[in-house]
Amino acid sequence: GDSVTQMEGPVTLSEEAFLTINCTYTATGYPSLFWYVQYPGEGLQLLLKATKADDKGSNKGFEATYRKETTSFHLEKGSVQVSDSAVYFCALLQTGTYKYIFGTGTRLKVLA
Amino acid sequence: EAGVAQSPRYKIIEKRQSVAFWCNPISGHATLYWYQQILGQGPKLLIQFQNNGVVDDSQLPKDRFSAERLKGVDSTLKIQPAKLEDSAVYLCASSQDRDRDTGELFFGEGSRLTVL
Repeated sequence: GDSVTQMEGPVTLSEEAFLTINCTYTATGYPSLFWYVQYPGEGLQLLLKATKADDKGSNKGFEATYRKETTSFHLEKGSVQVSDSAVYFCALLQTGTYKYIFGTGTRLKVLA
Repeated sequence: EAGVAQSPRYKIIEKRQSVAFWCNPISGHATLYWYQQILGQGPKLLIQFQNNGVVDDSQLPKDRFSAERLKGVDSTLKIQPAKLEDSAVYLCASSQDRDRDTGELFFGEGSRLTVL
């Protein structure tokens, strides 16, 4: 069945460091891909999305490109801030069934 | 606009007791989801409603879990009797029909259940 695999955390970085969180997926058809973020004490919220191959989603300095050939949707940010400390979830939306499949989440901790 | 509301935020019960969680989605959102998020894992879909009808409840443990969405608005998730392995955060999310193409889910803050 469809699945999403994320790199395990926690990821600890110093402020202004470069961030990459890896995400790969297995799916039939052409799913939409998402990154959701969960800040401490809050619910999940959409960070960015891409609906077709080669699309790049971006928001708040974060970017991810839908790579069909490598079935990946890696999250990147050039310079992280302490306020980016959160748990990041990669997810796919199955075509047809409109069912979401979430990864296990990657905790990011940014130190001042 | 108001977000997805959930209550209670925290609940501690003993095994074999019952518990109920309530969710009020964003006004106008036809689709409502209940997810279970166990520590260290991603959200797992328990049940999906479209208006007041069930779309998918294939992963709902029906011997102990039940959910309803009366009048196609707010929803209640019940667990009876609870087991230790039910300790988790129960997330409610909603979306508009047209967002099925854009895919955005709107989540509440979750209800954290601890079963002792």
